[in-house]
Amino acid sequence: DTGVSQDPRHKITKRGQNVTFRCDPISEHNRLYWYRQTLGQGPEFLTYFQNEAQLEKSRLLSDRFSAERPKGSFSTLEIQRTEQGDSAMYLCASSRTSGRADEQFFGPGTRLTVL
Amino acid sequence: AQKITQTQPGMFVQEKEAVTLDCTYDTSDPSYGLFWYKQPSSGEMIFLIYQGSYDQQNATEGRYSLNFQKARKSANLVISASQLGDSAMYFCAMREGWPGGGADGLTFGKGTHLIIQP
Repeated sequence: DTGVSQDPRHKITKRGQNVTFRCDPISEHNRLYWYRQTLGQGPEFLTYFQNEAQLEKSRLLSDRFSAERPKGSFSTLEIQRTEQGDSAMYLCASSRTSGRADEQFFGPGTRLTVL
Repeated sequence: AQKITQTQPGMFVQEKEAVTLDCTYDTSDPSYGLFWYKQPSSGEMIFLIYQGSYDQQNATEGRYSLNFQKARKSANLVISASQLGDSAMYFCAMREGWPGGGADGLTFGKGTHLIIQP
C-alpha cells in the first residue's frame, strides 16, 4: 500500500517564474486536498477535489494559482509569476468518502523557495 | 478569531512520562470532527486520532487518547508513556459540518513542538 507521493520534493525558482507540482494520491482515494504550510504555522487549506471536480477553493488561492485533477487521479498545482511570499511547503492529502473520520493522509510535501 | 488554539508553543517532557497537549476550538456548527496530527522533522503529517462531536466516548488509539470536553470546547491529546520517537510537532485540526456534510479542508492550529528528553 503506497502512500501519497509528491514531486518534486524541493523546488527553487526565481521570482516571476512559473512552477508546477504533482501529487499522486492513494489509489482508492477519491478526495484530494492541497494545503500550504509556512514556517512555524500549521497547514492552511487551499483547495479540494472530489474525483475530477474541484469543489472548494480557499481565499488564499489567488488567481496565480490553479489546480487540476484530470480523470480523478493525480493532481497538479501550478503557481504562475511566483512571488517571494509563495515560499512554503505545499502539502497534498487524500482521503476516501467511506470511513467514519474520513481522515486525510498526507504526502511528504514540496518545499518551494522563491528567490 | 482563531478557530483552533494551541497555547503551548513548546514542551519538554521526560521519557516515559505522560504528556497532555492542549487544544481549544471555536465553532457554532453542531457537527464537527477534531483531529490530531504529528509532524516529525521529516515533514510528513501523520494522522493520530479523531473525535466526532457526537461521539459519546473519548477516542483512544494505542498510546494516544483524546480528552474531549465539549462544553469547554477543548480536545486535548494525551500521550501515555512517552518515547523519544514522540518528539515532533503536533497539530490539532477541525473539520466543520462533519460528518453528514461539509467538504472543506481541515483548519489547523499553530502546533506544539514536543521534545522528549531521555
